[in-house]
Order: sequence, then structure tokens, then C-alpha cells
Amino acid sequence: AQRVTQPEKLLSVFKGAPVELKCNYSYSGSPELFWYVQYSRQRLQLLLRHISRESIKGFTADLNKGETSFHLKKPFAQEEDSAMYYCALTTSGTYKYIFGTGTRLKVLA
Amino acid sequence: DVKVTQSSRYLVKRTGEKVFLECVQDMDHENMFWYRQDPGLGLRLIYFSYDVKMKEKGDIPEGYSVSREKKERFSLILESASTNQTSMYLCATTARGNTGELFFGEGSRLTVL
Repeated sequence: AQRVTQPEKLLSVFKGAPVELKCNYSYSGSPELFWYVQYSRQRLQLLLRHISRESIKGFTADLNKGETSFHLKKPFAQEEDSAMYYCALTTSGTYKYIFGTGTRLKVLA
Repeated sequence: DVKVTQSSRYLVKRTGEKVFLECVQDMDHENMFWYRQDPGLGLRLIYFSYDVKMKEKGDIPEGYSVSREKKERFSLILESASTNQTSMYLCATTARGNTGELFFGEGSRLTVL
């Protein structure tokens, strides 16, 4: 079965420190992976997707098919990065998006 | 600018009441979804619809039903609300055949007493 695992419920880092939010998935085919973010009092929104291979707000994520991972990274955390982050997976030909349980990132001053 | 609007941001209902949650989108998207968001459980799919009058069950459809009479509107119905349905409900849309971005509404926080 398809599954997305985010092992950390809460991640606290100091401003300026590197950040890595972990995401592992289980799917035997070729998935499409995404990171969504929800800032306080805002709607859930797309942060980035693996096929675009772009950096958004300084965040990057590389799809590692060997390790079935899609970790989100940022070299220097900012206070405004504090939010809830969800990793999600979908596959071509389906309408289903599978979400992880989310990781709350707190960036401390 | 994509607009996905959920009519009720906060609702308080009593056990056994019928509850309607409405979602309207202006993107002309074919696919619409209802998710439930709970701490520690992430987002779980309740129902989705890929066309008018079409619907499919998601992972947790029990206790819920949906209605899609018009392309832009997708309603979630709790026939008889129970306390374990207290949650945040999120509506989302995406275009047909698109495995890309989901556009979310602001959410409806339902409390069942």
C-alpha cells in the first residue's frame, strides 16, 4: 500500500541553523512527491514538487528513489519558516493524494 | 488567483444533528476533495469527486456523504454528527488528469458537542 511517513512530529531549530524535514514513502512505481506548508492562520499551500526541481523560499527537496525519501532541506532557517509541513504523494492515473502526518517546524530566535 | 471558499469557518453542532459543509471553487477544476485534518494523523481523504454527480470514497468515508450537483460546488454532509467527527475539514481542488498542485480552502472547524 502507498504510504508517506514523516517521523518527526515537532522539529525545533535555532534561527540560522540548517533544517531537514524527513519524508519517506512506500510505493513500487513512479510517484510524484510534494511538500505542502501551512503557516499559522493560513490555508495549506504547495511549497514545492519534485518534478519542478526548484528552490522555493530557500527550501529544496531531492527525490531519492533508492532510499524512497524526499527530505526537505534549508541551509539557514528563518523565523518565518515556522509552520506545519506535510509531505504528500500521488501517482499518475489516480486522483488520490496520500499525505504524511505532518511535522511542525519551530524556528527559535 | 485561485479561490476555494468554504462557507463556514467555525461550526458548533450537537450530537445527532445534520451538518452541511460547502465548498465552492472558481477555477473550473474537475476534481474536488474533502479531507479531514487531525493532529498526529495528518490529512485523511473522506471523499472525492472527478465530475458533476460523480463521487468516490476515500479512506474514511464512514459517517459522511457528499453531493456534487454543479461543477463548482462540492458539499460534505454529516447525516448524524458524532463527537468523533469533531475536526478540521479541508476542501481541495485540482484540474482533470493533473497530478500537480492541490488548491485548498481555509478549512471548516467543526465541534460536535
